[in-house]
Amino acid sequence: GQNIDQPTEMTATEGAIVQINCTYQTSGFNGLFWYQQHAGEAPTFLSYNVLDGLEEKGRFSSFLSRSKGYSYLLLKELQMKDSASYLCAVRGLSGYSTLTFGKGTMLLVSP
Amino acid sequence: DVKVTQSSRYLVKRTGEKVFLECVQDMDHENMFWYRQDPGLGLRLIYFSYDVKMKEKGDIPEGYSVSREKKERFSLILESASTNQTSMYLCASSTDRDQETQYFGPGTRLLVL
Repeated sequence: GQNIDQPTEMTATEGAIVQINCTYQTSGFNGLFWYQQHAGEAPTFLSYNVLDGLEEKGRFSSFLSRSKGYSYLLLKELQMKDSASYLCAVRGLSGYSTLTFGKGTMLLVSP
Repeated sequence: DVKVTQSSRYLVKRTGEKVFLECVQDMDHENMFWYRQDPGLGLRLIYFSYDVKMKEKGDIPEGYSVSREKKERFSLILESASTNQTSMYLCASSTDRDQETQYFGPGTRLLVL
């Protein structure tokens, strides 16, 4: 089975940097995804990590440490539109492309 | 542009009714998924399909069934709707390539009275 933990809520100020952590315990690992979900909308893909290290994509970066079962999503130069839920999801080794999702972290960006 | 569509954005049904939720993708993806999303519980996998006519149970299949007669279409069926099936239902699709994300439809918010 898989267990994924991330904080329920975070708050930050416009222009700041925020780090959203995700820890996982899995029977197998074949990649970790981060998604952004605005209220009432579908999740949209942000990043994918399968090897250790940092992946940077504009204002967003994602880090993975497989030995620690740990990932984080780093958001820089926060904007009001970044207020959303951020979902961490892990792919196992089942042979299917299924993902197990964390419960999501609600980020509120204030002026 | 990648597109996953769902038949309804909002649906109201009565307890005991049979409910069909339809999902269509236009990306020729092998895999399709049905999730439900509830506050405090996150996204939970109900069923998935990796090929036409193939289906596999997810984490919470009880009370649901699925049908995949064509590659682009994946249907979720609630045989006899109950109030605890009130939820947001999200469909997704993906290829078999490891680095490929799942693409989500806009969701159907189902209320069972």
